[in-house]
Amino acid sequence: DAGITQSPRHKVTETGTPVTLRCHQTENHRYMYWYRQDPGHGLRLIHYSYGVKDTDKGEVSDGYSVSRSKTEDFLLTLESATSSQTSVYFCAISGGLADTYEQYFGPGTRLTVT
Amino acid sequence: AQSVAQPEDQVNVAEGNPLTVKCTYSVSGNPYLFWYVQYPNRGLQFLLKYITGDNLVKGSYGFEAEFNKSQTSFHLKKPSALVSDSALYFCAVRDGGSGTYKYIFGTGTRLKVLA
Repeated sequence: DAGITQSPRHKVTETGTPVTLRCHQTENHRYMYWYRQDPGHGLRLIHYSYGVKDTDKGEVSDGYSVSRSKTEDFLLTLESATSSQTSVYFCAISGGLADTYEQYFGPGTRLTVT
Repeated sequence: AQSVAQPEDQVNVAEGNPLTVKCTYSVSGNPYLFWYVQYPNRGLQFLLKYITGDNLVKGSYGFEAEFNKSQTSFHLKKPSALVSDSALYFCAVRDGGSGTYKYIFGTGTRLKVLA
């Protein structure tokens, strides 16, 4: 498996509280992504990063912000969590030194907003 | 804008029979196409890809896929299904000609291989 970890792996939080999820990679890949997985919707892109401090929005970015201050870390923040953000969140990376285009995924974070 | 459609929520096949999981795509530039598999409570694992060249690509675990430009399809196939192939399969596309690094995924197809 590619060296991607996500923390926490599980979190239960209350509506209105801020939440930050962390993705950490040891592969020195350039691109990092945050997706959410929901039944019937598959994987939907929230935000992605194409370099340190360079980020862009995905399909479902409302209510989420991201930051990437160093190559290995990509943070996803829910400023004020809502029940509609209950989901499984996956981080992915691509674009290694010899870019072969496929993505590698982390193990996921299950977030429940009550 | 790029998009992916997986028209079947679930595919059932008997063990030993051939399987097909369908995927169609839409991009404005050159399609980079991918298949991933997800086992319960796990992240996605890469199976195979089409970037350029031969339309028939082979990947992990005996899977293959055929790129069909005229039908904008990239169906996943396996000649003989195993019970252990039962999982959730995702097709994804990236627009290779646009300079974007966004990957868009389909809604997934659950494959059930019956013993």
